[in-house]
Amino acid sequence: AQKVTQAQTEISVVEKEDVTLDCVYETRDTTYYLFWYKQPPSGELVFLIRRNSFDEQNEISGRYSWNFQKSTSSFNFTITASQVVDSAVYFCALPPRGEYGNKLVFGAGTILRVKS
Amino acid sequence: ETGVTQSPTHLIKTRGQQVTLRCSSQSGHNTVSWYQQALGQGPQFIFQYYREEENGRGNFPPRFSGLQFPNYSSELNVNALELDDSALYLCASSLFGTGAYEQYFGPGTRLTVT
Repeated sequence: AQKVTQAQTEISVVEKEDVTLDCVYETRDTTYYLFWYKQPPSGELVFLIRRNSFDEQNEISGRYSWNFQKSTSSFNFTITASQVVDSAVYFCALPPRGEYGNKLVFGAGTILRVKS
Repeated sequence: ETGVTQSPTHLIKTRGQQVTLRCSSQSGHNTVSWYQQALGQGPQFIFQYYREEENGRGNFPPRFSGLQFPNYSSELNVNALELDDSALYLCASSLFGTGAYEQYFGPGTRLTVT
């Protein structure tokens, strides 16, 4: 069965620090997608990124970057120069075996607290 | 473009009662998925509806049921409520097709069972 592990329960940083959120996954699929979502205090999950297993090229989008390594089954997420507004719960997810991205298995989440 | 909306925002029910939660999908989306998120945990997939039929179900008992309407809106019904059903219920819409695609989530309904 698919499994997503986010070992970091909670991380606290001071504004402007860089922070990396770890995600380790398990799947028997040869092709699959991975996702990151953000859940601010309002409760609504916000889509951040989708990556497919064909492409291990790291991606940067503004202050966000993702490091996907198939060899270690990791899909880590880094926020550069963190801001207070980044405070939220971050979830890593992948679809059930053989499924696409609209049914997801989520990790337990990492609470990020950014202090001013 | 209208986002995903859910109603009600909060709900308090008594054990044994029944509850109906509602979700309107984002414009242009034809698939609705429901998730249960217990406090401090990640969301868990309940089921998905596409073309008004259930299209996949997670590890939830039959007392969790749903509907999808021709306008792609959806309802989640829970019968014989139990205390453990207290959670945030999230609805997500997406466009069914090949390849992966992101889901857009609503703000959720906070259900408290006493």
